[in-house]
Amino acid sequence: NAGVTQTPKFQVLKTGQSMTLQCAQDMNHNSMYWYRQDPGMGLRLIYYSASEGTTDKGEVPNGYNVSRLNKREFSLRLESAAPSQTSVYFCASSEDREQGPQYFGPGTRLLVL
Amino acid sequence: SQQGEEDPQALSIQEGENATMNCSYKTSINNLQWYRQNSGRGLVHLILIRSNEREKHSGRLRVTLDTSKKSSSLLITASRAADTASYFCASGGTSYGKLTFGQGTILTVHP
Repeated sequence: NAGVTQTPKFQVLKTGQSMTLQCAQDMNHNSMYWYRQDPGMGLRLIYYSASEGTTDKGEVPNGYNVSRLNKREFSLRLESAAPSQTSVYFCASSEDREQGPQYFGPGTRLLVL
Repeated sequence: SQQGEEDPQALSIQEGENATMNCSYKTSINNLQWYRQNSGRGLVHLILIRSNEREKHSGRLRVTLDTSKKSSSLLITASRAADTASYFCASGGTSYGKLTFGQGTILTVHP
């Protein structure tokens, strides 16, 4: 039981490049989330998916797209990376609709030059 | 904008002492959660307190919630060096699925 896994662990991009961050969970959770963490800013929600087939914007969605591929997988895509997207990205999942505990992956450190 | 604000931003104590961290939030909540983050790692859920609860315990952790003051506190008793980490509160409001995180308290426990 791996919990929430994320790939890659670290990535360097040049401005304008694109990439997809992958996330998978093996806990049969309905809900999945993408956050970014910046120094002094805590975690900010980018997108979330309440269930397979649905996605919704969070607090900071601009510059990102997501895909809920199936119940297990939720990917985050940067179409044209900008230096402001340099951050640590966390994927999380939770069991139900009632804002229960969220389980986090180890994070992806992204540097955009 | 961040709903949660945490106080203090950093806390340094000796092993065996108690550590208290505070969290304030702005809007109505369904629950308030606390998470721990070790350096370079993801967040780990510690404890959840619902809006109709006032106090909750889990091992060496004690959480209180005062909805009239829109605040919560996390007490770690008899701290250990292994408790060194960042601690975040997260408020679950009325919007489905969304937790709003505070900026965190950095706790350092010296052996």
